[in-house]
Formats: sequence, C-alpha cells, structure tokens
Amino acid sequence: DAGVTQSPTHLIKTRGQQVTLRCSPKSGHDTVSWYQQALGQGPQFIFQYYEEEERQRGNFPDRFSGHQFPNYSSELNVNALLLGDSALYLCASSLKAHTGTGRVEQYFGPGTRLTVT
Amino acid sequence: QKEVEQDPGPLSVPEGAIVSLNCTYSNSAFQYFMWYRQYSRKGPELLMYTYSSGNKEDGRFTAQVDKSSKYISLFIRDSQPSDSATYLCAMSGGDSSYKLIFGSGTRLLVRP
Repeated sequence: DAGVTQSPTHLIKTRGQQVTLRCSPKSGHDTVSWYQQALGQGPQFIFQYYEEEERQRGNFPDRFSGHQFPNYSSELNVNALLLGDSALYLCASSLKAHTGTGRVEQYFGPGTRLTVT
Repeated sequence: QKEVEQDPGPLSVPEGAIVSLNCTYSNSAFQYFMWYRQYSRKGPELLMYTYSSGNKEDGRFTAQVDKSSKYISLFIRDSQPSDSATYLCAMSGGDSSYKLIFGSGTRLLVRP
C-alpha cells in the first residue's frame, strides 16, 4: 500500500524566488492538506484541497497557493520567498468522506525541507 | 494562549519505564484526538486515534481523553530506545473540522 510521497526531499532557495513542492496522496485517498512545520514547533495548517478546489485555508498569506490534479496529487507554490518560510513542508492525505464530520484521520508524507537563504 | 499546549521536554527515561505524555486544550468543540510520533527530520506517523472521551489501547500504547478537563494523555509501557522521538498531539472538531491543530511536541529520550 503506497503511502504519501513528497518531492523533492530538500530544497535551497534564495529570498524572493519561487518554489513548487509536490505530493502524491496515500492510495485510496482523495483529499490533500498542506502543513508548515518550523523547527521545534508542531505543524501549522496551510490549506486543504478536494476535487481540485481549495476547501479551507489557514492563516497564511496569498504567497502560498496550491493546486490539485485529477489524480488527486497536489502542488504547493510559494512566491516571493522570505527567510521565515524556511521550514519542513508536510503533505497529509485523507478521505473526503470523513472531512466536515470532525474526523480528520490524516496520514503524512516525509516532508520537503525548504531552506531560504 | 495557544489552542493546544504541550510540554516540549525533553523527557528522559530509562528503558522499560512507563512514559506519560500530556496535552491540554482550550477549544471544547474538539472531538477527535490523535497522537503522532515524529523521528528527527521525518514526517509525523499516526500512532493513536480517539473519538470523544475514554481510553484506547494498542499494544504498548494507551491513549486517554478527558473532555471535562480538556486533557489528553498517551502512555507508553515498557519503553524502548526505538521510542525516542518527538510526540505530537493533534485535535480536530468544530470550526477546525477540516484541519488538525497540533501541540508543539514533546521530545522523548529512552536511555538503554
């Protein structure tokens, strides 16, 4: 059973650049959520995608955008990178049938570590 | 004040000890409670999942939820060095039904 996969594993970018991170959900899952995890902190919710639409968004600026493809895979784009965007970016997948009920059983990928210099 | 509070540790115990990890929360709408284990530079791994109040046991792990006190716990019996990791509590429900709200994590070290 294929788990959540993310690419790339590591990335180094310069301030002001743009970055695209990729995620493939766990087999059978149709919903993808993205989280940002700063060093020593718990993950913070960025947004969630289902049926190729953004369903809910956390407290992140418009520089953070995403996309979901018909095969349920997803991309996270960050524009105009800031030093403070350096973090581990996590993708989590789940089943839409559970979303909105409060039952959010999410499975995480290994993450992409982004360093902004 | 954060919605979910968790002692960052580190918590250092000898091999074989019983470990108790805890989180408190402020949002009474939370109904679903999870514990994740995260090894260094890896993604979180779902360990336990509990709905509402009560206990749930899985092998060496027991999760407890006390909604009246807004307090959840994870117990690890017969702890092993391989249990050394950061443990994150996470919750959802109410306005946060789509997302998980995490604690900051407790770092656990099990000494051989």
